Amino acid sequence: GESVGLHLPTLSVQEGDNSIINCAYSNSASDYFIWYKQESGKGPQFIIDIRSNMDKRQGQRVTVLLNKTVKHLSLQIAATQPGDSAVYFCAESAQGAQKLVFGQGTRLTINP
Amino acid sequence: DGGITQSPKYLFRKEGQNVTLSCEQNLNHDAMYWYRQDPGQGLRLIYYSQIVNDFQKGDIAEGYSVSREKKESFPLTVTSAQKNPTAFYLCASSPRRSGQETQYFGPGTRLLVL
Repeated sequence: GESVGLHLPTLSVQEGDNSIINCAYSNSASDYFIWYKQESGKGPQFIIDIRSNMDKRQGQRVTVLLNKTVKHLSLQIAATQPGDSAVYFCAESAQGAQKLVFGQGTRLTINP
Repeated sequence: DGGITQSPKYLFRKEGQNVTLSCEQNLNHDAMYWYRQDPGQGLRLIYYSQIVNDFQKGDIAEGYSVSREKKESFPLTVTSAQKNPTAFYLCASSPRRSGQETQYFGPGTRLLVL
């Protein structure tokens, strides 16, 4: 049946500071990972992805770090801006899988 | 102007009624997906299709049905068997059939029960 709604983990940061959003995964066979940003009432937007043959990948103001040893993924946002306020989801997929598995999400709020 | 469109933005369902949510993409993507999102929660996969005339159940397919008669279209029907349909429904597509591809999302349809 339906699970009771859970409060999303929330991260509050000062405008201009760096944000680090974490994601743990359990499937050791997962080798593709992706971060999405979802603003209120909208569909998720792709931010950045990484495959398991890398442990770091950089985009514009964002960096994804992958630690396969402890099955941990993080998204770093540099110089956080008000427009970065959103819910951030990580997703994973294993070789041969036909779908992504999404995490619960983290709400990022920016303090002025 | 390429992308994924979903309609309507809001949909109201009466008890016992079937309703159909539209999803269209002009990206020439092979794979399409339907997700359900409840408040404060992540995305749960309802159905997906990797090729025309074929689709697979996701994690919460009960009470839903889909069709994939055209590559660009993947409508979702919420049947009367779905007892708690109130949610935000998201459609996505990806270029190829692998699960290891970026999925691109539409703007979503919010379904409410009268």
